[in-house]
Amino acid sequence: DTEVTQTPKHLVMGMTNKKSLKCEQHMGHRAMYWYKQKAKKPPELMFVYSYEKLSINESVPSRFSPECPNSSLLNLHLHALQPEDSALYLCASSQPAASTDTQYFGPGTRLTVL
Amino acid sequence: GQQVMQIPQYQHVQEGEDFTTYCNSSTTLSNIQWYKQRPGGHPVFLIQLVKSGEVKKQKRLTFQFGEAKKNSSLHITATQTTDVGTYFCAGPESLETSYDKVIFGPGTSLSVIP
Repeated sequence: DTEVTQTPKHLVMGMTNKKSLKCEQHMGHRAMYWYKQKAKKPPELMFVYSYEKLSINESVPSRFSPECPNSSLLNLHLHALQPEDSALYLCASSQPAASTDTQYFGPGTRLTVL
Repeated sequence: GQQVMQIPQYQHVQEGEDFTTYCNSSTTLSNIQWYKQRPGGHPVFLIQLVKSGEVKKQKRLTFQFGEAKKNSSLHITATQTTDVGTYFCAGPESLETSYDKVIFGPGTSLSVIP
């Protein structure tokens, strides 16, 4: 199974809402990532979890709060977002700290903040 | 910091023509990865190159890693409409650090005219 799943596929939220994005993988990968991607731009790294511990936070605003409940799940909690946060949010997984660190991406959640 | 550049930004080709995208890193890379993202889709891993001067082929796609491990290229022979998408190269942040962070190039967007 080389699949990373993400829910929901689409999300529309107001600036005062609280919502969560979910990601799941069953490949035994121990590194999981959140990326933000704007149209016609490359994925922009937000967070990296390695062995369920947060290893990289790319100075992301606190209105984005990641959580890794176990090695297969990754959540991104959203609160008080701004319209400029509208983007495609991608989850990925890989083997951490290995020379073959291919990342497997999920289909993404397309987020619109009104 | 480390930068990964790609040229061209956009390429429009007639179906059947060849296509090449070039990737350059400001630092030496331990490996380079290539991803393809179809319009409306998510990045999909294509290949990883590790060795200096390495050349790998996948059907009509030929990937090269430079001798200095700072540049790479992707060449598509006789493009087809199924090749449409954005091609990203990506490399680990640094030889010295962990492999948890991958730097993506800005991508080359390929359009194929039938």
